[in-house]
Amino acid sequence: EVRLVESGGGLVQPGRSLRLSCTAFGFTFHNHAMHWVRQVPGKGLEWVSGIYLKSDGTGYADSVKGRFTVSGDKANNSLYLQMNSLRAEDTALYFCAIDITPGGADYWGQGTLVTVSS
Amino acid sequence: DVVMTQSPLSLPVTLGQPASISCRSSQSLVYSDGNTYLNWFQQRPGQSPRRLIYKVSNRDSGVPDRFSGSKSGTDFTLKISRVEAEDVGFYFCMQGTHWPYTFGQGTKLEIK
Repeated sequence: EVRLVESGGGLVQPGRSLRLSCTAFGFTFHNHAMHWVRQVPGKGLEWVSGIYLKSDGTGYADSVKGRFTVSGDKANNSLYLQMNSLRAEDTALYFCAIDITPGGADYWGQGTLVTVSS
Repeated sequence: DVVMTQSPLSLPVTLGQPASISCRSSQSLVYSDGNTYLNWFQQRPGQSPRRLIYKVSNRDSGVPDRFSGSKSGTDFTLKISRVEAEDVGFYFCMQGTHWPYTFGQGTKLEIK
């Protein structure tokens, strides 16, 4: 069974940093794409960042470009999101998702909540 | 970025009746390999999203056959043939053809 488990969320002051982790169970990272998607509770979904694990190619939403950095560690089956210069509008539940099938976002974690507030 | 316009945003349905949700993409979702990477997800209250349909019309394992997906050009539709109580939640489309992936606004399905 494929399972993704996020961690690292919490309460942080504006301007500070946070690092999210996503560990995969039930399969081995290989030539997959993985993503971070966020959701303000009760609202819609916003793709934040993605990475192709084979090439380490990455992409970012304009709203986080220059502040967030995505990385993958195939040896540890883990995905990371380094979030710097956090803003109140970054407050959301952050999910990681994996493309087992191309373009599929087949599986999602349970999410980790990030709250940016003074 | 591809804009996914989803409707309706709210969908009250009587148990046992059909339901239909639409998504329109601002550009073609046909990838260079000929596939169309349009997915439908269900998000029950307090849960993470669960994929129901991938590549327009393929049901994921364990998804009841009352769920179906179709397309006409850049218009995509998720249909539930007979709504059951367990279908309550948010439904949203997502295109995975172009980066960044983009989502519809979501449809809240509730029982009348």
